[in-house]
Amino acid sequence: QLQLQESGPGLVKPSETLSLTCSVSGGSVSTSGYFWGWIRQPPGKGLEWIGSIYNSGSTYYNPSLKSRVTISIDTSKNQFSLKLSSVTAADTAVYYCARHGGSYNWNQNNFDYWGQGTLVTVSS
Amino acid sequence: QSALTQPASVSGSPGQSTSISCTGTSSDVGSYNYVSWYQQHPGKAPKLMIYDVTKRPSGVSNRFSGSKSGNTASLTISGLQTEDEADYYCSSYTSSSTLVFGGGTKLTVL
Repeated sequence: QLQLQESGPGLVKPSETLSLTCSVSGGSVSTSGYFWGWIRQPPGKGLEWIGSIYNSGSTYYNPSLKSRVTISIDTSKNQFSLKLSSVTAADTAVYYCARHGGSYNWNQNNFDYWGQGTLVTVSS
Repeated sequence: QSALTQPASVSGSPGQSTSISCTGTSSDVGSYNYVSWYQQHPGKAPKLMIYDVTKRPSGVSNRFSGSKSGNTASLTISGLQTEDEADYYCSSYTSSSTLVFGGGTKLTVL
């Protein structure tokens, strides 16, 4: 059974960089056709797609966040990571990592396996 | 403001059917068959219920079905059960090369 687990600081100061890692077990981030994404959810609000990555390193970002986001993948460690720079209180959210795709189409938004989510609070 | 519009809440009685709408535009729902639906219980991660407009992942009850007409997609839940009470989100690919979600709908099973 594929499992994803987010890890990283739960508190980040304004203007600093938020860094999270998603560790994958029970499967491989190198599996052909699948993409690995980050989605966030501010407290009490809806979901927002941040971006996705393929095992080749190809990335796809939400245009509204693109200038601040970097997603990378480490196939040797079977994990992928998110960096969000210049954070503000508006970036306070539960951050989820998830798998999607299966047919080599990054725009197939079938996020079928999710991590449990990690709350990141931006505050001084 | 979400790119996809969903009703804030819907309700139904056990055993009944209910539908949740997801209205987009010709730049997203209306142009692509990449519409998915997620169920989220409080404090839990979302769960994929429908993808590619009508497809159901393995293990999801056949009480859940999806459809699309024009710029509006719909999730229908038949034979409502108390455990169906949750928040539901739709999602679509857009012509701006992004994935967007609806604002979410709270389903109450009375």
